[in-house]
Amino acid sequence: AQSVTQLGSHVSVSEGALVLLRCNYSSSVPPYLFWYVQYPNQGLQLLLKYTSAATLVKGINGFEAEFKKSETSFHLTKPSAHMSDAAEYFCAVGPGAGSYQLTFGKGTKLSVIP
Amino acid sequence: EAGVVQSPRYKIIEKKQPVAFWCNPISGHNTLYWYRQNLGQGPELLIRYENEEAVDDSQLPKDRFSAERLKGVDSTLKIQPAELGDSAVYLCASSLRDSPYGYTFGSGTRLTVV
Repeated sequence: AQSVTQLGSHVSVSEGALVLLRCNYSSSVPPYLFWYVQYPNQGLQLLLKYTSAATLVKGINGFEAEFKKSETSFHLTKPSAHMSDAAEYFCAVGPGAGSYQLTFGKGTKLSVIP
Repeated sequence: EAGVVQSPRYKIIEKKQPVAFWCNPISGHNTLYWYRQNLGQGPELLIRYENEEAVDDSQLPKDRFSAERLKGVDSTLKIQPAELGDSAVYLCASSLRDSPYGYTFGSGTRLTVV
């Protein structure tokens, strides 16, 4: 069985500050890991994915995440927060390359303070 | 390229009434998923189709929920009768089989049962 834990249901940062959203996973097989972003009243948009290639993954909008097997973590970061980053972020784990069930975390709502 | 299209965007119904949601996946995507997202939670898989075959419906509440994907393209998800606890966002997603690119989600249908 697979599971995802996102630490912090709500994170607030000042505009221009570092964004760090935490995700830990549990998987009995080498995982595929994803970060999605959801804006209000919208579906989920893929930010980035880890599929066993480079451990540091760069995504859209300046976000990146690092896969750390020893820590079973896949934290999402962005050096400088922008007001438009305010949204809900979901970490997900899947057993395969996209055609199998994704298990999502409960999400972290990011607020950006001007 | 059009994305995953869902309709309606919003639906308000009284309990015990039936409701149906429609999804048109990205052209050529043979895998289609229905997820349910409760308020403050991550999405949870209801059913997965490979072409017209439901290959994983273990989490679909079969006493009141049904789904179909005729001709392996569009899909409908039905609830009959609806209960108050069915209020949620119903998300459709599609992917190429074994694609490493993750899912593409639609904007979802927000159901409110009163």
